[in-house]
Amino acid sequence: DIVVTQSPDSLAVSLGERATITCKSSQSVLYRSDNKNYLAWYQQKPGQPPKLLISWASTRESGVPDRFSGSGSGTDFTLTISSLQAEDVAVYHCQQYYSTPYAFGQGTKLEIK
Amino acid sequence: EVQLVESGGGLVQPGGSLRLSCTASGFTFSTYPMHWVRQAPGKGLEYVSAISSNGADTYYANSVRGRFTISRDNSKNTLFLQMGSLRTEDMAVYYCARQPGAYDIWGQGTMVTVSS
Repeated sequence: DIVVTQSPDSLAVSLGERATITCKSSQSVLYRSDNKNYLAWYQQKPGQPPKLLISWASTRESGVPDRFSGSGSGTDFTLTISSLQAEDVAVYHCQQYYSTPYAFGQGTKLEIK
Repeated sequence: EVQLVESGGGLVQPGGSLRLSCTASGFTFSTYPMHWVRQAPGKGLEYVSAISSNGADTYYANSVRGRFTISRDNSKNTLFLQMGSLRTEDMAVYYCARQPGAYDIWGQGTMVTVSS
């Protein structure tokens, strides 16, 4: 099974500053036949289900602000929020969907400094 | 509106059983694989089970294999999770999710409490 590890577990960033979360998978999630990384990022606010932000490691979902970006390939990935807004306070999860079980990272709690 | 609505959660004693349902609307349910994901109080997300669009293939996390059964009724746009031999560590909010690739649509979740 692929293990997914996020860092840090929690992060405090000032409003308007950059926030960076990393995600590492124990095996490559790059599928050679379509050259896609099977890696997603979700945002979860208290009392709500997760919301898909980014799929295929770097493709933003419709309606997601462009301050959110995803990068990386193979086993190492990054979620960047370029200018933190108050509404971005949440827990962020990465997930590999390359092979079952589709494991999640442990989550990163993002707060305002 | 594309929507998933879970039901069937509640309080059950250890060793008991419960069946969760997830009713889909606003999209062609029969064309999508569907998944169950759970989240214990204050914890992260955990993959539980998955089923292919036609129901022919199923997948389970090691932690639930042999105790849980996933199924679907495409004529009723409904996904099920039959849970048996429940343990205290199964206590969580259970979400159903649509999976075209990543999980693009999630339900609001249903709480399962396992306690005597």
